[in-house]
Amino acid sequence: ETGVTQSPTHLIKTRGQQVTLRCSSQSGHNTVSWYQQALGQGPQFIFQYYREEENGRGNFPPRFSGLQFPNYSSELNVNALELDDSALYLCASSGGLGANVLTFGAGSRLTVL
Amino acid sequence: GNSVTQMEGPVTLSEEAFLTINCTYTATGYPSLFWYVQYPGEGLQLLLKATKADDKGSNKGFEATYRKETTSFHLEKGSVQVSDSAVYFCALSDSGGSNYKLTFGKGTLLTVNP
Repeated sequence: ETGVTQSPTHLIKTRGQQVTLRCSSQSGHNTVSWYQQALGQGPQFIFQYYREEENGRGNFPPRFSGLQFPNYSSELNVNALELDDSALYLCASSGGLGANVLTFGAGSRLTVL
Repeated sequence: GNSVTQMEGPVTLSEEAFLTINCTYTATGYPSLFWYVQYPGEGLQLLLKATKADDKGSNKGFEATYRKETTSFHLEKGSVQVSDSAVYFCALSDSGGSNYKLTFGKGTLLTVNP
């Protein structure tokens, strides 16, 4: 079975720009969650998608938005980038609502200059 | 709200030494508890989990016991190897609802020297 794949692996943006990060969930998984991991910190929950709808959100502003597609892949969009958005963005998939084991991708490392 | 506190690192051990990484939590209800490991350049991998009080999770020689009375989930391994060098994260999940969210500690960097 394929795992969770994320792209791009690294990218550099400047303040004020917009970025889109992509995630393909593990085969058979229909729920996708996004986490932000700042350097030296634990991952922080951004939001979760189930059946193409947002199903829970952490303490992140509206400029963080997402999508889930019919094939359960997902995108994370961040508008008006700020320096503090520099982080590793992790996507995780799971086998449905309440499934309590997440499979994580390797992440997308975003640097905002 | 929920929170996880784990011991500050870095932790440096010699091969075959005993490992303990402390983790305590604050949560409402009855959370599930997890240890995840992150190797350099990789995503998080589930190491072990426990879903109710007194459960012991174990995997690859690592163990942790869900202690409700002390709100703790300490990670232990009797004899570490160089290949165990990684960052270890303690985490909990909300006990109810369909929104499955993990709350993580800050992570503990473990370095094992030969």
